[in-house]
Amino acid sequence: AQSVTQLGSHVSVSEGALVLLRCNYSSSVPPYLFWYVQYPNQGLQLLLKYTTGATLVKGINGFEAEFKKSETSFHLTKPSAHMSDAAEYFCAVRGSGNTPLVFGKGTRLSVIA
Amino acid sequence: GAVVSQHPSWVICKSGTSVKIECRSLDFQATTMFWYRQFPKQSLMLMATSNEGSKATYEQGVEKDKFLINHASLTLSTLTVTSAHPEDSSFYICSAVDPGTGYNEQFFGPGTRLTVL
Repeated sequence: AQSVTQLGSHVSVSEGALVLLRCNYSSSVPPYLFWYVQYPNQGLQLLLKYTTGATLVKGINGFEAEFKKSETSFHLTKPSAHMSDAAEYFCAVRGSGNTPLVFGKGTRLSVIA
Repeated sequence: GAVVSQHPSWVICKSGTSVKIECRSLDFQATTMFWYRQFPKQSLMLMATSNEGSKATYEQGVEKDKFLINHASLTLSTLTVTSAHPEDSSFYICSAVDPGTGYNEQFFGPGTRLTVL
């Protein structure tokens, strides 16, 4: 079974500041890890994913995340926040095969001018 | 990436009526699709797993007789909310598994917002 814990339901940063959204996972099998962004009244957009290989994963819009097995973490970062980054962010985990994604509760990112 | 469509994108219906939502994989064949539900300001919760040609597998607490799932072809799964009530108002999102990606990547549809009056 898999689960995801996102620390902080709401994170607020100033424009230009570092964005750090925390995600810890639990998985009994090697995990596939994902970050999605959701803007109000819209569907999910994939930011980045880790399946195998390099543990530092770069995604769209300047975001990146690092898979740390020893810490069971997959935190999302962006060096400089932009107003357009304000949205809801979901971390998700799944195993191999046709297993569904399990989502964290989400973190709402606010960017202050 | 692969494209998954949902129809309709939004629907308003009266209490007691049934609503059908379609999920289509446009450029790949999906033997497995998943249906999720998202209530306002909450996360996505898996409702059921839909496998082509077989009965859907429902998560605990999801009424199979209320949420009818049919996966009649490799590119189409439908979710029918029967006798809808206001508490069924939610954002319904499907995802389809593309077996051709090597790690069974899932692609999400844009979602269907259901409002039951």
